[in-house]
Amino acid sequence: DGGITQSPKYLFRKEGQNVTLSCEQNLNHDAMYWYRQDPGQGLRLIYYSQIVNDFQKGDIAEGYSVSREKKESFPLTVTSAQKNPTAFYLCASSSTGDSALSSYEQYFGPGTRLTVT
Amino acid sequence: KQEVTQIPAALSVPEGENLVLNCSFTDSAIYNLQWFRQDPGKGLTSLLLIQSSQREQTSGRLNASLDKSSGRSTLYIAASQPGDSATYLCALSGARKTQGGSEKLVFGKGTKLTVNP
Repeated sequence: DGGITQSPKYLFRKEGQNVTLSCEQNLNHDAMYWYRQDPGQGLRLIYYSQIVNDFQKGDIAEGYSVSREKKESFPLTVTSAQKNPTAFYLCASSSTGDSALSSYEQYFGPGTRLTVT
Repeated sequence: KQEVTQIPAALSVPEGENLVLNCSFTDSAIYNLQWFRQDPGKGLTSLLLIQSSQREQTSGRLNASLDKSSGRSTLYIAASQPGDSATYLCALSGARKTQGGSEKLVFGKGTKLTVNP
C-alpha cells in the first residue's frame, strides 16, 4: 500500500522533555510537510522540505526541529522550548513536479496526538 | 497575505439533502485549491483538487467549483448520507512558487457537517 505513516498515534510526555514524531512515506514524493492542528484553528505549517538534506521554516517553527536525511523520512522533534506543545500533528507529502502542469496535491498521514503534562 | 474563510463553521442537515459548503479567499492569484475531509481524530483525506485554470472538478456525489474573480469555491454534496458527516477543509496554494517549486497550503478552519438519518 502506498501512503504516509505516522507513529505513534498517541504520545504522552512530561514538560521539559524533547520528543520526536515519526513520518514515513512511500509515494516517492520529494516534498514533505509538518502541520500542527489545534481546536478551532486551521492547520498551521511548522516546517517543510522540498529535497533531501534541505528544509525551511514554516509559520510556527519556534520550538521545533526537523531533519531530512532520507527522501522517505521527515521526523519532527518537539523541544522543551515549545511553549504549548499539546496538539495534533499532521505530516504530508507532495510531488514538486517538473512542469507547469504539476498539481502539487498534498497527501496526509493519520496524525499523532501529543499530550504534554 | 492570503486568508481563507469557511462559513458556516457547522452545518446539520437531514439525510438525502443536497448541500453546498463555501470557501472564500482574499488573493485570487492561486495555483490550486484542494478540498479535504477530516474525520474526528484522523488525518486529512483529499477529496478534490482544482487547478487555477480549471472551473470545476467532480468525483462521485461531490462537485467542487472555483471562481477566482470572486474569490470563492464551493463544494457541492449530492444526496447526503450519514457517512458524509465529517469536517470539510478548504486549502489553497499561491501562484508564486517557493524556492524549488513546492507549494505551501493555506487552510480554512473548516465546516463541520452532520448528516442526520
